[in-house]
Amino acid sequence: KQEVTQIPAALSVPEGENLVLNCSFTDSAIYNLQWFRQDPGKGLTSLLLIQSSQREQTSGRLNASLDKSSGRSTLYIAASQPGDSATYLCAVRWTGANNLFFGTGTRLTVIP
Amino acid sequence: EAQVTQNPRYLITVTGKKLTVTCSQNMNHEYMSWYRQDPGLGLRQIYYSMNVEVTDKGDVPEGYKVSRKEKRNFPLILESPSPNQTSLYFCASSFGTGGGELFFGEGSRLTVL
Repeated sequence: KQEVTQIPAALSVPEGENLVLNCSFTDSAIYNLQWFRQDPGKGLTSLLLIQSSQREQTSGRLNASLDKSSGRSTLYIAASQPGDSATYLCAVRWTGANNLFFGTGTRLTVIP
Repeated sequence: EAQVTQNPRYLITVTGKKLTVTCSQNMNHEYMSWYRQDPGLGLRQIYYSMNVEVTDKGDVPEGYKVSRKEKRNFPLILESPSPNQTSLYFCASSFGTGGGELFFGEGSRLTVL
């Protein structure tokens, strides 16, 4: 069964700290993986999209890596800020599928 | 401004009263999709559409209908809502077959009494 897991469900860090969010998936035959941010009461905003052939993607203070063989992706946030507080979700599209499978997210709180 | 617009944003209704949640995108995207988000279950796909007149079931299609008569619109129809359809609903769109960046609407919170 194809599943996406995000642990921990919640994480609190002091402002300025570098942090890593984890995403694991059960089948290595992925097409791509996306990281999203969701603010309370809001929709999801795409942060980074990694294609199957890529190892990582970067945008500003964010860096997402992909290791298909181990079934893992990480989202690295450098120099965290209170404005980074949100729920972060990863979603996997497997090869041959037309839909995305979402993890349940990690709720991040950055403490000033 | 590129956006996905859903209406209504909030709705309280009663069991059995048909309702439609509209979704419209202004990016000329081929792919559109509906998700529901429930605590502890994450987002689950209800239906998706690869283009006009092309729709298919996602993981949880029971109790829902969709149509794609125009490229920009993808309404979600609940013919006879039940309390277990109380949820937060999201519409999303992307170019091509949905393998690219996915753009989400702001969400529609539905309560069925």
